[in-house]
Amino acid sequence: KAGVTQTPRYLIKTRGQQVTLSCSPISGHRSVSWYQQTPGQGLQFLFEYFSETQRNKGNFPGRFSGRQFSNSRSEMNVSTLELGDSALYLCASSLGERTYNEQFFGPGTRLTVL
Amino acid sequence: GQQVMQIPQYQHVQEGEDFTTYCNSSTTLSNIQWYKQRPGGHPVFLIQLVKSGEVKKQKRLTFQFGEAKKNSSLHITATQTTDVGTYFCVSYQKVTFGTGTKLQVIP
Repeated sequence: KAGVTQTPRYLIKTRGQQVTLSCSPISGHRSVSWYQQTPGQGLQFLFEYFSETQRNKGNFPGRFSGRQFSNSRSEMNVSTLELGDSALYLCASSLGERTYNEQFFGPGTRLTVL
Repeated sequence: GQQVMQIPQYQHVQEGEDFTTYCNSSTTLSNIQWYKQRPGGHPVFLIQLVKSGEVKKQKRLTFQFGEAKKNSSLHITATQTTDVGTYFCVSYQKVTFGTGTKLQVIP
């Protein structure tokens, strides 16, 4: 089985721009979660989707949004980028309905905001 | 709010020595998961603990969940260079990650 894939792997943007990141879960997985990882804050939860519905949301501003499609693929969008948004964005999928289950992480998208 | 503190932040050990990392929560946890992230890699699931006092073993790794379900530990016996990485605990009640313990193994 193919693992979780994320595109693009690297991205450079400037302040004020917006960005869309994509995640394809493992085949058969219907739950997708997004995380932000930075050296200073560590791993932080952004949101979780199951069957196209957002089930849980972390403590991030409204500039961060996401969605899930009927094929379980997910996208996250960050609008009006700030320097502090530079991070590794990780997507994870799981078989079950909630994040209590084993999470399979993708390789991440490294976003640099200049 | 719920916080999960993880100690130590960094640990350097000689190959063959043991290593332990601890996660402590201010509130009772329904479960806790452990992940390992190699340098430049992504987190990989190791184990999930659910029951009070639970102990699980995976080869040289031993995981424990405290009786009060407020703390957990990961112990590695006789570390190897392949154990290098950052070990995270995570509570999925509020999806809170521990700060991680970065393990360096000196050959």
